Amino acid sequence: GAGVSQSPSNKVTEKGKDVELRCDPISGHTALYWYRQSLGQGLEFLIYFQGNSAPDKSGLPSDRFSAERTGGSVSTLTIQRTQQEDSAVYLCASSLVGKGAPLHFGNGTRLTVT
Amino acid sequence: GESVGLHLPTLSVQEGDNSIINCAYSNSASDYFIWYKQESGKGPQFIIDIRSNMDKRQGQRVTVLLNKTVKHLSLQIAATQPGDSAVYFCAALNTNAGKSTFGDGTTLTVKP
Repeated sequence: GAGVSQSPSNKVTEKGKDVELRCDPISGHTALYWYRQSLGQGLEFLIYFQGNSAPDKSGLPSDRFSAERTGGSVSTLTIQRTQQEDSAVYLCASSLVGKGAPLHFGNGTRLTVT
Repeated sequence: GESVGLHLPTLSVQEGDNSIINCAYSNSASDYFIWYKQESGKGPQFIIDIRSNMDKRQGQRVTVLLNKTVKHLSLQIAATQPGDSAVYFCAALNTNAGKSTFGDGTTLTVKP
């Protein structure tokens, strides 16, 4: 497709379980971002990948959160031992270049931890 | 660190009126600014951007104004339509740092 694709669109999990969220960026986009959006709130930066550079992980809230980007394309955000406060919409975005370009967002994965 | 804030969390306007959404940023090193629109159940969508070497940029029915002196930018929407109802986010970016900082969003409601 032409846009950023995220899967699943919705995920309900039990507290303590691990979850994986997937992002397929726009083809050719070298930069990929993960943001978290709690209900009615703004976007909280989590992690940023740019080409082959080391990712900027400064926004990850705890060591239960990790992300990888394979082959410079698809990215997976993993949350281990989920907690109820992890419930949010997780948004992925990509851009053509890492700096000074608008982000193209997917529609997010809505994560609910019960 | 960078912080970005909008002046009003909600804005209600009459259809056909002009809307103005304001945003303040804290980092004077920010040199690229973007407005996004987010409809329910979707990700934010790019509306318009402006770089720090400009103070005004116009698009179709939208205008962004940048005042670097007071670190303020605004989004003006002309002849607001019901389809403009959404949450609007401003983002500020230091292009040497690579990641955008978003404000909390203003919810725009257009009354018919």
